[in-house]
Amino acid sequence: DTEVTQTPKHLVMGMTNKKSLKCEQHMGHRAMYWYKQKAKKPPELMFVYSYEKLSINESVPSRFSPECPNSSLLNLHLHALQPEDSALYLCASSQAYRTGYGYTFGSGTRLTVV
Amino acid sequence: AQTVTQSQPEMSVQEAETVTLSCTYDTSESDYYLFWYKQPPSRQMILVIRQEAYKQQNATENRFSVNFQKAAKSFSLKISDSQLGDAAMYFCAYRSADNNNDMRFGAGTRLTVKP
Repeated sequence: DTEVTQTPKHLVMGMTNKKSLKCEQHMGHRAMYWYKQKAKKPPELMFVYSYEKLSINESVPSRFSPECPNSSLLNLHLHALQPEDSALYLCASSQAYRTGYGYTFGSGTRLTVV
Repeated sequence: AQTVTQSQPEMSVQEAETVTLSCTYDTSESDYYLFWYKQPPSRQMILVIRQEAYKQQNATENRFSVNFQKAAKSFSLKISDSQLGDAAMYFCAYRSADNNNDMRFGAGTRLTVKP
């Protein structure tokens, strides 16, 4: 299995809703990442988990809450989002200490906040 | 902090022709990795090619090759025999060999392939 699977592919939520994005990989990668990508822009790093511990939080608002329950799964919990949070959310994984091999990305969740 | 610059927001190429996408970066590190990723309309970021900074030999993957100039901090991507399926957004990316949990992307170049 050489894939990163993200669900759902599309999500529309109101500003008072609570929802979660899910990311799963079975490649034995011990580093997992959340990126946010606005239209026609590069991905922006949000969070990094290394060996199931949060190692980087790029000053992301608290309405985004990451969780890494095990080495294969990464969640992003969403609460009280704003319309400007609408974007493509990409999950990626990599071998934690072999930095030369790049990331494997999922296909993303297209989030629309109404 | 490392920065990655792609100065060509858009490029176009005729099918079967060759095109070169530019990328420069700024770093004070000596050991790092560089990547080109492709993002088609399907949205998934796909690794095209990678280069280790300590290797002088330019990486090649089939029709894709790079021109890595370490002193100039330049990392361009050459696509030969362009195909319609090459049309996508291309991102140049930098990853430190020390900070193994951080990859930085350039702004991207949108490549159009004309039949």
